[in-house]
Amino acid sequence: GAVVSQHPSWVICKSGTSVKIECRSLDFQATTMFWYRQFPKQSLMLMATSNEGSKATYEQGVEKDKFLINHASLTLSTLTVTSAHPEDSSFYICSAKQASGSSYNEQFFGPGTRLTVL
Amino acid sequence: AQSVTQPDIHITVSEGASLELRCNYSYGATPYLFWYVQSPGQGLQLLLKYFSGDTLVQGIKGFEAEFKRSQSSFNLRKPSVHWSDAAEYFCAVADSWGKFQFGAGTQVVVTP
Repeated sequence: GAVVSQHPSWVICKSGTSVKIECRSLDFQATTMFWYRQFPKQSLMLMATSNEGSKATYEQGVEKDKFLINHASLTLSTLTVTSAHPEDSSFYICSAKQASGSSYNEQFFGPGTRLTVL
Repeated sequence: AQSVTQPDIHITVSEGASLELRCNYSYGATPYLFWYVQSPGQGLQLLLKYFSGDTLVQGIKGFEAEFKRSQSSFNLRKPSVHWSDAAEYFCAVADSWGKFQFGAGTQVVVTP
């Protein structure tokens, strides 16, 4: 099956700094990628939809200036958490939707990135 | 807007016993339904999915799920659980654009 990677798998940063998380589709092209956040012992919550070459669409309540999303190519989307604070500590998961030749709504999830803000 | 309800937050089952996890959804059109499993600190692994056709879906690791439109349900079953099945299980529904709505999850504990 198709593979989605995330880098880094975990990161620890100081409060006030910015952190960039990468999501890559390794063996397929993805016109659409999604970013989710998962707090401990909770479900995944969709943060934003990222479309290649256009601005991301954010879900209600998600600060677009804080969570910058860039989908610059068909295989890479990045999420930058700006001025991170301890409450941003979470597990961030991306998913990628195949551009063509795939089953309807076929998506593949990355392994997740654990962010801890001190 | 779609929504997913997993009524059971936590289930404890003996190894070798059968397991059923409940999932109810709300969606205006034909739903695209999924079950995922997540081990602690790990990403999601797809167990099975339903798009159309046969309402009884077979997945990996011996899991199956049945889509019942009349009950708006997509329950997951396994006839005999193994200790390695202990994990968090998420039911999800996707719309035509691919946006997922996940249920709250069910924690499965397997006892010897």
